[in-house]
Amino acid sequence: AIQMTQSPSSLSASVGDSVTITCRASQAIRNDLGWYQQKPGKAPKLLIYAASNLQSGVPSRFSGSGSGTDFTLTISSLQPEDFATYYCLQDYNYPWTFGQGTKVEFK
Amino acid sequence: EVQLVESGGALVQPGGSLRLSCAASGFTFSYYGMSWVRQAPGKGLEWISYIDLSSNNKYYADSVKGRCTVSRDNAKNSLYLQMNSLRAEDTAVYYCARFYYYLDVWGKGTTVTVSS
Repeated sequence: AIQMTQSPSSLSASVGDSVTITCRASQAIRNDLGWYQQKPGKAPKLLIYAASNLQSGVPSRFSGSGSGTDFTLTISSLQPEDFATYYCLQDYNYPWTFGQGTKVEFK
Repeated sequence: EVQLVESGGALVQPGGSLRLSCAASGFTFSYYGMSWVRQAPGKGLEWISYIDLSSNNKYYADSVKGRCTVSRDNAKNSLYLQMNSLRAEDTAVYYCARFYYYLDVWGKGTTVTVSS
């Protein structure tokens, strides 16, 4: 199975900060990667698909990049509603695998 | 409104069985593959199963392979997950999600607790 190594596992930031989360795949996965946001007690929400495409309705402060094995999610100006946990997911081959998650906390 | 609603979660004893359901509405269910994803208490997300739009292809995580069976009824706009030989480590919130190159619509989840 492809392993997705996500880092950091947590970070502290302030409103207005720029935040970057990375995911590294144990083998090349083209751009078959999505980023999801999850708030406590809620279902995950798709932010970015195919590594760099913004899902409809998602604010433009979210962006994704990467291809092959290395991917990043950037939040350009953190807003109060962005404090959540973020996951990457590879759907290049089965079994699909999530990263371990990155919890973005208020500094 | 595009919606997925899971049901069937319960408290079950180790070794028991459970069938989860996911009711879809607001979109043409038969056009989409579907997945199940779970989340153990305080843990991350774990993908566990996928079924394509015609039920021709089904895939499972190793953690549930041989114990779980995914199915769907396109006439009833419903997805199912039959879970057998349940273990304590199957305790989780189970989400169904719609797939069209990515998991774009998720239900709110149903809780399965495996305990004696």
